[in-house]
Amino acid sequence: GDSVTQMEGPVTLSEEAFLTINCTYTATGYPSLFWYVQYPGEGLQLLLKATKADDKGSNKGFEATYRKETTSFHLEKGSVQVSDSAVYFCARPRDGGGSNYKLTFGKGTLLTVNP
Amino acid sequence: DVKVTQSSRYLVKRTGEKVFLECVQDMDHENMFWYRQDPGLGLRLIYFSYDVKMKEKGDIPEGYSVSREKKERFSLILESASTNQTSMYLCASSPRGGGPYEQYFGPGTRLTVT
Repeated sequence: GDSVTQMEGPVTLSEEAFLTINCTYTATGYPSLFWYVQYPGEGLQLLLKATKADDKGSNKGFEATYRKETTSFHLEKGSVQVSDSAVYFCARPRDGGGSNYKLTFGKGTLLTVNP
Repeated sequence: DVKVTQSSRYLVKRTGEKVFLECVQDMDHENMFWYRQDPGLGLRLIYFSYDVKMKEKGDIPEGYSVSREKKERFSLILESASTNQTSMYLCASSPRGGGPYEQYFGPGTRLTVT
């Protein structure tokens, strides 16, 4: 299968706290992996990506490492800000020939950061 | 920057009305997508188009149709709106070929059917 499972929210943190949002995937190979972010009232935007095993994607202080041994791509940030409050989605391309233009998304994790 | 625009941010329609949601992208992308987003269910793919006049059903196509007459424009049509189609609708586009298949999203249309 080509599923993506991410931790359920909501997650509530204080400013400057450490953030981890777990994401695991099923795959027959080594698909590219993505984290998208959706700020309130907006569409999704790509936060970071990794295209092969052991790659680390990073952006805006967020990081995620592609770990094939544990089939995981956990999102981390060392010190969150109020402006990081958003919904975060883990995603991967679907399996199977021409269908790999489509993405499979996790259900999303709502993060709220309090001042 | 890739820009994907959607015709309305908020829309209120009555049950049984025919509803058109429009999406336009300005980066000459071949692929375009329509999703709906509901709490607890994440994003679900309604329809996908990989070229002008070409379309493919997604995971939940029932009650919807699409039109792609020009490369930059992808329309979602609710033939007879029902209250269970109240949702956030997101359009996305991506280039064909290469990888890793990043999709670019519009701001969404929040549709309420009363």
